[in-house]
Amino acid sequence: NAGVTQTPKFRVLKTGQSMTLLCAQDMNHEYMYWYRQDPGMGLRLIHYSVGEGTTAKGEVPDGYNVSRLKKQNFLLGLESAAPSQTSVYFCASSYGAFGTQYFGPGTRLLVL
Amino acid sequence: KNEVEQSPQNLTAQEGEFITINCSYSVGISALHWLQQHPGGGIVSLFMLSSGKKKHGRLIATINIQEKHSSLHITASHPRDSAVYICAVKRDTGNQFYFGTGTSLTVIP
Repeated sequence: NAGVTQTPKFRVLKTGQSMTLLCAQDMNHEYMYWYRQDPGMGLRLIHYSVGEGTTAKGEVPDGYNVSRLKKQNFLLGLESAAPSQTSVYFCASSYGAFGTQYFGPGTRLLVL
Repeated sequence: KNEVEQSPQNLTAQEGEFITINCSYSVGISALHWLQQHPGGGIVSLFMLSSGKKKHGRLIATINIQEKHSSLHITASHPRDSAVYICAVKRDTGNQFYFGTGTSLTVIP
């Protein structure tokens, strides 16, 4: 039982490049979330999903897209990376809207 | 404008001390979470509560919905409690979450 895993752990991108962050959970959770964490700021919700095939915008969705084609996976895409997207990205999942959130280990992204 | 405010931002305590971390919020909520972020970056959920009080080991979380305030208490603090403690609220409409910037706790032996 791996819980929540994230791939990759660390990535360096040049401005304008694209990439996809993968989040996988093996707990059969319906809800999945993508957050970013920046120094001096709290975690901020980027996008979330309440089930397979559904996604919704969070607090800071601009510049990101997501997909939830399979219940266990939640993908976060950056189509054209910008230095402002340098951050640590966390994925989380929960059984329901009020369930405990289980967090992945994070992905550190640097955009030059 | 921060929907969630935590105090203090930093806290240093001697081992064995009783610790209190405060969280105030300005929006209507359906639930409040307390999280712990370890020095290595990993985040663990400690409590989710919507009313009253919850206890787990040496940790106690309380919430006062009318005053829009929650506290996290640590009894008999230990150096392994050193971490950043984060308060998060779930809006009462939709699935939006707002997080505080965290309280960095250092417990000295």
